[in-house]
Amino acid sequence: DTEVTQTPKHLVMGMTNKKSLKCEQHMGHRAMYWYKQKAKKPPELMFVYSYEKLSINESVPSRFSPECPNSSLLNLHLHALQPEDSALYLCASSGPGRSSYEQYFGPGTRLTVT
Amino acid sequence: AQSVTQPDIHITVSEGASLELRCNYSYGATPYLFWYVQSPGQGLQLLLKYFSGDTLVQGIKGFEAEFKRSQSSFNLRKPSVHWSDAAEYFCAVGSNNDMRFGAGTRLTVK
Repeated sequence: DTEVTQTPKHLVMGMTNKKSLKCEQHMGHRAMYWYKQKAKKPPELMFVYSYEKLSINESVPSRFSPECPNSSLLNLHLHALQPEDSALYLCASSGPGRSSYEQYFGPGTRLTVT
Repeated sequence: AQSVTQPDIHITVSEGASLELRCNYSYGATPYLFWYVQSPGQGLQLLLKYFSGDTLVQGIKGFEAEFKRSQSSFNLRKPSVHWSDAAEYFCAVGSNNDMRFGAGTRLTVK
């Protein structure tokens, strides 16, 4: 099974709302990632968790708060977002060892901030 | 720092014609190279990867890519394009827990 699942598929939220995105994988991968992708652009790395510890934070605003409760689950908590945060949010995971170079992506959550 | 350049923003090919998408990379050590495909509104699907060894790698959906160290290139090819291949294609270079993507090439099949 090489599947990464993400929920919800679509999310519309106001600027004062608090919401969360969820990502799950059952491939035994120990690294998980959040990316942000604007239309017609490549994915931009936001956060990396390695063995459930935050290892990379690409200077993301604090209104995005990641959480890795266990090795299979990754959340992205959203609060006080801006309209420019509207994008496709992609989750990915990669395995241990050499496989850590190879990332598997979920289908994404399409976020619209109104 | 590692980086990837995809020179072609948009390519249009006829169904049944051959395809080559270009990718050039910059990386200090032996690169780990990937091609991903993304259909509209979808996630990224891994087409193929190069870690080491044979410089011609085969992937899914009939795609192949050739690693040429002397040209710092990793071009993607397909001998006969199908209408379902219309999508965005990203070349990427990876290191441990880090991946950098090219800007992407949008493929239109007519």
